[in-house]
Amino acid sequence: DAKTTQPTSMDCAEGRAANLPCNHSTISGNEYVYWYRQIHSQGPQYIIHGLKNNETNEMASLIITEDRKSSTLILPHATLRDTAVYYCIVRGDNYGQNFVFGPGTRLSVLP
Amino acid sequence: KAGVTQTPRYLIKTRGQQVTLSCSPISGHRSVSWYQQTPGQGLQFLFEYFSETQRNKGNFPGRFSGRQFSNSRSEMNVSTLELGDSALYLCASSLGGRGSLQETQYFGPGTRLLVL
Repeated sequence: DAKTTQPTSMDCAEGRAANLPCNHSTISGNEYVYWYRQIHSQGPQYIIHGLKNNETNEMASLIITEDRKSSTLILPHATLRDTAVYYCIVRGDNYGQNFVFGPGTRLSVLP
Repeated sequence: KAGVTQTPRYLIKTRGQQVTLSCSPISGHRSVSWYQQTPGQGLQFLFEYFSETQRNKGNFPGRFSGRQFSNSRSEMNVSTLELGDSALYLCASSLGGRGSLQETQYFGPGTRLLVL
């Protein structure tokens, strides 16, 4: 079972920041938070991951709370092409562990 | 670098047949994982191969099998196809070592299989 809880769906206005929350209250010390997204019928796309510090790359920012029980993915200026299902995944750093995908959050960016 | 490639992209088979799907990982990646995605069950892990050995396996029947070659390319096979095997089959590759950067998976576009 997925170790994360995400809202089923969210809307965001084009050009505004999209803030996607994720709860992972049972996360353990060596587990990372990964974010992927899947645009309709394509393969999931890696976005970002982090352990406890906030992370930023060219696609998004990841904010992890100090207790690590929740996180937020931020798309700073959402575009229509960001409409997708966003998956938050918690996974340890031991090789051989698979990624467990939950239902994710369906983000609709509206014009 | 070229991304993960999967062939064929689309496939139609009939019940009882078998099918082989192919995946070429990103150059330098040694781990290949396979996933099945259906509307009802979502994305489910099938198995992972690393250095030609199955390292992890999901909860699928024995009709689903895979292998990995010395160049890290991988194939998965489904025998005695059932209607419920209709799905998007996704392959993902990673460096395969220990640590978050080694384990980050990059997905291919998938093979859409329709079983009639």
